[in-house]
Amino acid sequence: EADIYQTPRYLVIGTGKKITLECSQTMGHDKMYWYQQDPGMELHLIHYSYGVNSTEKGDLSSESTVSRIRTEHFPLTLESARPSHTSQYLCASSEFSGGGADTQYFGPGTRLTVL
Amino acid sequence: KNEVEQSPQNLTAQEGEFITINCSYSVGISALHWLQQHPGGGIVSLFMLSSGKKKHGRLIATINIQEKHSSLHITASHPRDSAVYICAVSRGSGGSNYKLTFGKGTLLTVNP
Repeated sequence: EADIYQTPRYLVIGTGKKITLECSQTMGHDKMYWYQQDPGMELHLIHYSYGVNSTEKGDLSSESTVSRIRTEHFPLTLESARPSHTSQYLCASSEFSGGGADTQYFGPGTRLTVL
Repeated sequence: KNEVEQSPQNLTAQEGEFITINCSYSVGISALHWLQQHPGGGIVSLFMLSSGKKKHGRLIATINIQEKHSSLHITASHPRDSAVYICAVSRGSGGSNYKLTFGKGTLLTVNP
């Protein structure tokens, strides 16, 4: 059973506020990810990390930033939230499980609404 | 055109029916994943496969690498199977094979 947690689960906030979405995993995985998912649409990778002090932008451009100071923690920050940031944000971590690729474990997601 | 296409987009079935969801992809892959997303957002990995067929309980996943096609089958469907089923592919090799490209998902509703 995967242990990956996200807080808050739901967040409604006004334009211009700074927000941080938390993600933690207790599995000791080196790789972690942030995905953005709009309703009815596919997930898009916005950030990933190979390990501590290693972060890179994903395929979808995002105004958010991330940090990876500890293996288990991968927070995402929006300095100034805008209505266009309204979406669901999913955190994941992975380990190589053979068979050609990693198995990814997902958190429950944070549904963000910016008014 | 998306690199990963799923069909159908929506599927409604009666309890007990045999269900098939299809996934086609247009790029080279190292593995294909089937994921399940329940209302509320949580995603669970069901299968990862790079060849042949895998079975877990009532779920069966197959892949044809030459045809770039995979199917997810559910036997004896149940209302608790209602969810969005997502196909995703891992691309690249070595250090980059962790990146996933996702399909839009198939919304399955199983009625009692």
